[in-house]
Amino acid sequence: IVLTQSPGTLSLSPGERATLSCRTSQGVPNNYVAWYEQKPGQAPRLLIYGASKRATGIPDRFSGSGSGTDFTLTISRLEPADFAVYYCQQYDIPPWTFGQGTKVEIK
Amino acid sequence: EIHLVESGGLVVQPGGSLRLSCAATGFAFGDNTMHWIRHVPGKGLEWISLISWDGGSTHYADSVRGRFTISRDNSKNILYLQMHSLRNEDTGLYYCVKEESLEGFGEFGGLGTLVTVSS
Repeated sequence: IVLTQSPGTLSLSPGERATLSCRTSQGVPNNYVAWYEQKPGQAPRLLIYGASKRATGIPDRFSGSGSGTDFTLTISRLEPADFAVYYCQQYDIPPWTFGQGTKVEIK
Repeated sequence: EIHLVESGGLVVQPGGSLRLSCAATGFAFGDNTMHWIRHVPGKGLEWISLISWDGGSTHYADSVRGRFTISRDNSKNILYLQMHSLRNEDTGLYYCVKEESLEGFGEFGGLGTLVTVSS
């Protein structure tokens, strides 16, 4: 399954809302889609699994939605720590595949 | 909290070999399927291989099948990736990843180890 993320780069200011898209080349039957945040020099951090479930310790400004072939990560109010690269992943149909990433940068 | 420490990455010439290791703490290593994933510059994250909890089942990406071998030692809580016939395109940051038993998602817990294939 090929995952296509858009946009490639999102330029926003702190306090704004970020909406990141992930489209899959075929349906993900169980909605086993995850979102990860990665900052330079750090491992990817799990934010969302099962399309909409927040991982342990993830603040509620992060939310995931979607089903089938279209999935969305929303950050309701960007904080300075949220400027990073975000990857979606499907773990429903082997092998695991990842999107190419969306960079959220400070405008 | 899971903690995964990857090691073994080096600069190696094309055609060379390397063995990567991943030391795991903070969870019941022997209960979980484990994966190797690499981050290739300009290409993003790529799944490489997985091994079942007992080592009885392994799977590989087409790009590495026949050249890489995944294994584990549950008595030592260590995951391995033996890499042969390395190519320039194998260059990247290699992560070991724990598969969560019930929900199936992956958990990264380390900083990765850098493999550079270059003459």
